[in-house]
Amino acid sequence: DSGVTQTPKHLITATGQRVTLRCSPRSGDLSVYWYQQSLDQGLQFLIQYYNGEERAKGNILERFSAQQFPDLHSELNLSSLELGDSALYFCASSPGRAAGTGELFFGEGSRLTVL
Amino acid sequence: GQSLEQPSEVTAVEGAIVQINCTYQTSGFYGLSWYQQHDGGAPTFLSYNALDGLEETGRFSSFLSRSDSYGYLLLQELQMKDSASYFCAVRVSGGYQKVTFGTGTKLQVIP
Repeated sequence: DSGVTQTPKHLITATGQRVTLRCSPRSGDLSVYWYQQSLDQGLQFLIQYYNGEERAKGNILERFSAQQFPDLHSELNLSSLELGDSALYFCASSPGRAAGTGELFFGEGSRLTVL
Repeated sequence: GQSLEQPSEVTAVEGAIVQINCTYQTSGFYGLSWYQQHDGGAPTFLSYNALDGLEETGRFSSFLSRSDSYGYLLLQELQMKDSASYFCAVRVSGGYQKVTFGTGTKLQVIP
């Protein structure tokens, strides 16, 4: 158990709909990352937050948005869903400090299926 | 931006040694990490190199050459449970610690 909690674990929805994925980081971690992993693909970096502020953006579509709340949990909002958005969405957290290994602790992921 | 290259698939025999290479291009390089991911599971951290040289953790070792923008993961005494995908990831410096992953290498260990 990494200490990172993601909900829901599975989600099936239709094209055009909107969903929200939730992530609770490990206790004490200030940095939250979101990654998208399509079938048999790598981990595509979407966005990173540190202590409530957006710090880095990757290949995140305009239809997607995210935020980190004062209690440090984060939400990833996906709207106007398309078939190609079907993927496993991972949240990861880290202390966010420059020192150390920068190890990311991953949640179990939210599997989104768009029909 | 960042780009990382790894072989897509590697097959090795149980008990043998396998090396998975990773080359990267990035600015603000801070360090190279390796993660393991079993099918359907979450990636888990294996090792990290910030300086040139070899880091050993049990059966796994990781190497980095900053001048060559190259690293590798070495797995010794392969076991069937080592069958998984292995990702290298670059950590870039700055006010944040962005981590970008490679496309992953699927390792199949055969008897």
